[in-house]
Amino acid sequence: EAGVAQSPRYKIIEKRQSVAFWCNPISGHATLYWYQQILGQGPKLLIQFQNNGVVDDSQLPKDRFSAERLKGVDSTLKIQPAKLEDSAVYLCASSPYDKQYFGPGTRLTVT
Amino acid sequence: DAKTTQPPSMDCAEGRAANLPCNHSTISGNEYVYWYRQIHSQGPQYIIHGLKNNETNEMASLIITEDRKSSTLILPHATLRDTAVYYCIRLYGGATNKLIFGTGTLLAVQP
Repeated sequence: EAGVAQSPRYKIIEKRQSVAFWCNPISGHATLYWYQQILGQGPKLLIQFQNNGVVDDSQLPKDRFSAERLKGVDSTLKIQPAKLEDSAVYLCASSPYDKQYFGPGTRLTVT
Repeated sequence: DAKTTQPPSMDCAEGRAANLPCNHSTISGNEYVYWYRQIHSQGPQYIIHGLKNNETNEMASLIITEDRKSSTLILPHATLRDTAVYYCIRLYGGATNKLIFGTGTLLAVQP
């Protein structure tokens, strides 16, 4: 079966610019997650969707980060404006029930 | 708060069994133990999970002590492709719970 798709794979922007990441989960998976992974650390959950509703966004910096899941399928994560500390890998995962399947991630560099 | 303790790094000879320990002394009765791994520049990959009983699948075995305060992930015949960071995670049973990653164990399989 096809895995979780993410694009772009790499992105370099300057601080104060905007950026958007896209995720296409595995077909039929109701739950979708966005994680942020800073170099040398484990992934940290930013937001969790169940279908197209938000289950947990307690760790999302809402003053600059936003996310949506259209029609309970694809999702986008946006950062506006970006800061230097946002440099990280952004991982998308989807889950049918008890396991999470991760995409390859988008590596963001903010200069 | 990851709530699990793992050694930061381990070495293993190729072809030998790799035994990765995890301490979760405060685990509650309805929390599962999950293992994921992350190969360099890839998203995390599910390995195995268990509640009380030992578990085995095509990738690994999970041994959970009777008091559930610790567990060991066993890769029976490690290969170079098993070099990765291995994360031990406690998860309350349910479909929509988030994974809280610690810093994991970097397993280096040596030729």
